[in-house]
Amino acid sequence: DGGITQSPKYLFRKEGQNVTLSCEQNLNHDAMYWYRQDPGQGLRLIYYSQIVNDFQKGDIAEGYSVSREKKESFPLTVTSAQKNPTAFYLCASSIWDGAYEQYFGPGTRLTVT
Amino acid sequence: DQQVKQNSPSLSVQEGRISILNCDYTNSMFDYFLWYKKYPAEGPTFLISISSIKDKNEDGRFTVFLNKSAKHLSLHIVPSQPGDSAVYFCAATFSGSRLTFGEGTQLTVNP
Repeated sequence: DGGITQSPKYLFRKEGQNVTLSCEQNLNHDAMYWYRQDPGQGLRLIYYSQIVNDFQKGDIAEGYSVSREKKESFPLTVTSAQKNPTAFYLCASSIWDGAYEQYFGPGTRLTVT
Repeated sequence: DQQVKQNSPSLSVQEGRISILNCDYTNSMFDYFLWYKKYPAEGPTFLISISSIKDKNEDGRFTVFLNKSAKHLSLHIVPSQPGDSAVYFCAATFSGSRLTFGEGTQLTVNP
């Protein structure tokens, strides 16, 4: 079955530690995206990538970093510089950047204490 | 600058009745609109979409209406079922740019 995998589903970290969230897709999509969901704020775009070895900042990129070394993988690192890292993180992909429909993974709930 | 707004955080309806979820936008450049459905602790799933050249799109129990002059779209679910209970996000885009999401509306369908 084609789809997007995010792991782990729940992640706990101490403040000051960097943490990397995994996102893998086998849909052969060119574009991938990272969103953050907070209560009452909808989905906010962190980073997106149109093609391998290329990525752009979204609306709330500060404190985050990404890489796109393979078409199927787009890991997100939440650094210690991110002031409010506790959130639900969603990875998505689309056939190409600008394709209207995006497909989402199941999400990772990150809790930093 | 919230370009897509869903002003109702929650909506409660009886099973079998109509659910109407609303969404307003400010950017007149938006030319494509989507609705996503999200269950707790899961990723959103695509539900239905509409192009700005249309004013209505229907898919089974789901119909989306677009009023460009009012910059308003709505999602109608008829008849509503308990399994429809979820958070619904509207999203907008133009010329293949990034999706802009609203805040979401929690729909609860009571048996």
